[in-house]
Amino acid sequence: DAKTTQPNSMESNEEEPVHLPCNHSTISGTDYIHWYRQLPSQGPEYVIHGLTSNVNNRMASLAIAEDRKSSTLILHRATLRDAAVYYCILRASGGSYIPTFGRGTSLIVHP
Amino acid sequence: GAGVSQSPSNKVTEKGKDVELRCDPISGHTALYWYRQSLGQGLEFLIYFQGNSAPDKSGLPSDRFSAERTGGSVSTLTIQRTQQEDSAVYLCASSSSRVGLAAGDTQYFGPGTRLTVL
Repeated sequence: DAKTTQPNSMESNEEEPVHLPCNHSTISGTDYIHWYRQLPSQGPEYVIHGLTSNVNNRMASLAIAEDRKSSTLILHRATLRDAAVYYCILRASGGSYIPTFGRGTSLIVHP
Repeated sequence: GAGVSQSPSNKVTEKGKDVELRCDPISGHTALYWYRQSLGQGLEFLIYFQGNSAPDKSGLPSDRFSAERTGGSVSTLTIQRTQQEDSAVYLCASSSSRVGLAAGDTQYFGPGTRLTVL
C-alpha cells in the first residue's frame, strides 16, 4: 500500500468543524482512501472511505482532491467523544490486502 | 450483531513464559488480521488469514510468534518465551473481503489484549 502523511496532532474546540488532512502523493488510480479512528483504550473503528468522489456518512465527510494526491476528513461539529487518533490509509485493489497504519493524527477537542 | 471479541482483555506474564491470545471474528468474515500496538505507536501488522489460503506471516517479528485459525473462524496468537519487548496491545480485526474486493472493504477491530511481560 502507498504511503500517507498526516500531522501528528491537531486541536479543536467543541461544536466547531474539524478538517483533518492527509497527503498521499504516490496514490495509484485504483487505491481506495480509508479513514479509521481509535478512541482511547479501544481498537480502531472504521470512519469512511472513498475512491474519487466526495463521500458523506453519519460520522463524517471525506473530501478528495481532484488529483487524488490528498484528502480531508471533515467532522462537521466536533464533540469531546471525537477525541481520538485518526488514521488515513490506502487500500490497493488487487495488491496487498494488508493496510499500513501509521501514527495517525491525534485530535484534541477542547470543551 | 456481535463484533470481534478478544480474550483475555489483559494478560500479565513473566519473562520466558508462553502466552496464548484468542480472537473471535465476526461470523462469516473470511479475513482475519493480527496487529500489535506499542504505547504511543501505530499498528504493526503481524499476520493475515484469508479463507483456506496459507496465511501471510510476513509481519511476525520472530519465530517465537505463531498463529493459527481453526475452522476458518477462531484464531489464536501464541508467543513463546515472552520477552519484555513483547509488551503491547494485540489487536485482532476481521473483514468480509474476498479476492478482488479487498480495496473497498472495511476492517472491524476487537478491543485488544493488553499484554504485560514482567
